[in-house]
Order: sequence, then C-alpha cells, then structure tokens
Amino acid sequence: QQQVKQSPQSLIVQKGGISIINCAYENTAFDYFPWYQQFPGKGPALLIAIRPDVSEKKEGRFTISFNKSAKQFSLHIMDSQPGDSATYFCAAKDGQNFVFGPGTRLSVLP
Amino acid sequence: KAGVTQTPRYLIKTRGQQVTLSCSPISGHRSVSWYQQTPGQGLQFLFEYFSETQRNKGNFPGRFSGRQFSNSRSEMNVSTLELGDSALYLCASSLQGPENEQFFGPGTRLTVL
Repeated sequence: QQQVKQSPQSLIVQKGGISIINCAYENTAFDYFPWYQQFPGKGPALLIAIRPDVSEKKEGRFTISFNKSAKQFSLHIMDSQPGDSATYFCAAKDGQNFVFGPGTRLSVLP
Repeated sequence: KAGVTQTPRYLIKTRGQQVTLSCSPISGHRSVSWYQQTPGQGLQFLFEYFSETQRNKGNFPGRFSGRQFSNSRSEMNVSTLELGDSALYLCASSLQGPENEQFFGPGTRLTVL
C-alpha cells in the first residue's frame, strides 16, 4: 500500500532525445508527488512536483504527467542532455510518510 | 546562503556500537527530515522534526531515534548497530515541512563492520 513502483530501472537516451520515467502507486491518500535528481556523491535535489488536482506541470525541459484514475505519474525530460545523466527518484507523500521509488539511472549519450 | 551540512561525512563503526549523526539545516528552515539510502532498499524516510518535536515517523525500529534543538539543528542516533545499518544517511531541511522544497545535505556514509 505504501509502495511507489518506478520503471525503468535504467535508461539510455541519445542527446536531444526524450527521457520518460514512470511511477505508480496504490495509496490514494498520497497528495504530493515530487521528483528528485541525484548525482553521484550528492544528496537528491527537488526537480519538479505535482499535486493530484493537476494533470500536468511543466518547468523548462521537465514535465510531470499525472493520471489520478490510473494512479500513475511520469517524468518527461525533453531535449535530454549529457548533464541530465543522474539517478531520478519519484516520491509520494501522505500526511504521515514520504515514500520514494527505487530510482532510475539515466545515461544521456553525447 | 549556506546549504545543509552533515557531519561527519564518513563513519566506520562495529556491530553493537551506537552512533550519532548531526545535521545543520539551512538558516530559517524549521523542518528537518532524515532518510536512509541503501542500494537494496533505496531511499527510506526515517522521521521528521519540526520545532523540536517529532512530527512524522517512518517504519524503522526504535534503535533509530532523533532530536532537534532550538536552533533547528538535528541529531540522529542509532543504537546497537547492525550490519544492515550500513547506508548513506541523508538529512533534508525545509521551511515548514517536506511539502515545501526540501534541500538535502550530502549525507553521512555509515559503514558497520
């Protein structure tokens, strides 16, 4: 019930391509869905976040798509760059807990 | 504006010992959350402190505890260390809580031998 599933585990994309990472959840009490980016040796950094009353949110090259009925949300990275190579985590929060997906290691080839 | 700082950055302990990790949040931030990150379990929420009170708690045994001081600095303590406690422990601060943007520190890498 508290899990957040994330796929794929790893992703290789050519420079300029679109990277898509998907997450799914079961707990309908989740009301906040952030995405984090983590570089090796660093802590995660908030990339973009969405609430379930919105179906899409865009910030620069990063877009979250949210499907409340399917209990799924995804991160799209447009025009992917080698500097985007990192591990990406989706997360979900209800009033009591903050749950992270297992992460997706993205490699953008030059 | 200084970021979140964690000390020490690396720590080696043996089974049965206890350890205390420290986190200094960004100035003005009142919420501090702690997370454990391992290759097998990923990022797991430990607990959140706000104004010196534990406000939320994850699903970890009582060996994991924490506290927050009046200046918002926080410490996390793990007693009776087990091999499985080897992990990167991350602290994150935010103005009012995790729903505000959380800023993570670089983490403390704990190795239990």
